[in-house]
Amino acid sequence: GAVVSQHPSWVICKSGTSVKIECRSLDFQATTMFWYRQFPKQSLMLMATSNEGSKATYEQGVEKDKFLINHASLTLSTLTVTSAHPEDSSFYICSARRQPGTEKLFFGSGTQLSVL
Amino acid sequence: SQQGEEDPQALSIQEGENATMNCSYKTSINNLQWYRQNSGRGLVHLILIRSNEREKHSGRLRVTLDTSKKSSSLLITASRAADTASYFCATVLTDSWGKLQFGAGTQVVVTP
Repeated sequence: GAVVSQHPSWVICKSGTSVKIECRSLDFQATTMFWYRQFPKQSLMLMATSNEGSKATYEQGVEKDKFLINHASLTLSTLTVTSAHPEDSSFYICSARRQPGTEKLFFGSGTQLSVL
Repeated sequence: SQQGEEDPQALSIQEGENATMNCSYKTSINNLQWYRQNSGRGLVHLILIRSNEREKHSGRLRVTLDTSKKSSSLLITASRAADTASYFCATVLTDSWGKLQFGAGTQVVVTP
């Protein structure tokens, strides 16, 4: 099956610092990647859709300048949480679509961000 | 906003029993998918059912879809302790460019 690698698995940072999370498709080219956020015991909330070579599309209520997304290649998308604050602490998960026209998503293992 | 609502929110059963969870959605869909999430991990795709299908099986999983009621159910038969996880339904809206909207999830605990 297709593999999506997400790194790091967890990160602890001080308030005000920026944190970068990487999402890589290891054995396929991902034209589209999605970034989700999940609070404890809650569902996944879609933050943004990342298409290779173009600007990300953000969901309503998600701050573009706060959550910077870069999908520079067909195998890598990054999410940077800028000037992180304690309320940004959450579980962030990326997912990738193998190719256009396929509906199934492959998920990374997630990144637990804790901002002190 | 959440597209899918699931019930129950939590389910506790004994090994060998069946587990049934339901998902309702609000708008037209292309397909509905079920995913499983172990605690603190990413999601794993279980099964996809298209809007023109009514029932689908995969191993011990059985999924139904009723588009007139905008609802779906996931049945896990002969549950095992390893089935302990959260289960989410997700819908692909007809005009969403393939974006998945997840339901609230059902947390299933299977005790030996």
